[in-house]
Amino acid sequence: AQSVTQLDSQVPVFEEAPVELRCNYSSSVSVYLFWYVQYPNQGLQLLLKYLSGSTLVKGINGFEAEFNKSQTSFHLRKPSVHISDTAEYFCAVSDRGNTGFQKLVFGTGTRLLVSP
Amino acid sequence: ETGVTQTPRHLVMGMTNKKSLKCEQHLGHNAMYWYKQSAKKPLELMFVYSLEERVENNSVPSRFSPECPNSSHLFLHLHTLQPEDSALYLCASSQVLRSSYNEQFFGPGTRLTVL
Repeated sequence: AQSVTQLDSQVPVFEEAPVELRCNYSSSVSVYLFWYVQYPNQGLQLLLKYLSGSTLVKGINGFEAEFNKSQTSFHLRKPSVHISDTAEYFCAVSDRGNTGFQKLVFGTGTRLLVSP
Repeated sequence: ETGVTQTPRHLVMGMTNKKSLKCEQHLGHNAMYWYKQSAKKPLELMFVYSLEERVENNSVPSRFSPECPNSSHLFLHLHTLQPEDSALYLCASSQVLRSSYNEQFFGPGTRLTVL
């Protein structure tokens, strides 16, 4: 079964600074990878996804992520963050599982705290 | 209404109560999911329904009982819960694609507190 590791539980950063949120997954076989964002008192919203093709994926709100197969990583980056980016970020990987039904396996999340 | 809606948004119940959580999707999807989100833990997939048939049941205690009467509605019936069941319960839906991924769309969640 797949697993996802988000080593940083919290990342504090100043406004307009760059940020990288780290994500590593367990398997080197073909996978689909996702980043979701959760704002306070809301559900999860898809930021970006990697299915195939270019290893650099661009998403909403100026975020991007790079798929690195050899390092089994899918780190999320933004060159300049805003106060409004303060939220919880979840990395997820697809897993077909024993039933054959494709589902998502999530990491524990990273809280991004942007201060002025 | 658009997307995925959940009611109620907040629920406080005693351990002997019976309550139900409701989820409705307006996206024309054919699969629906229940997740449990607890602090400092990964999202836990509880149940999956595809074409109104349960396809996943991840060792969830029987005090949680799902129901999917049609492809747009999903319920989670709760009875004799424990305080450790307090969490945010998220519903999601997707269009199942056998040959590819299935992006999930989430509702805002129900914050459940068990006293």
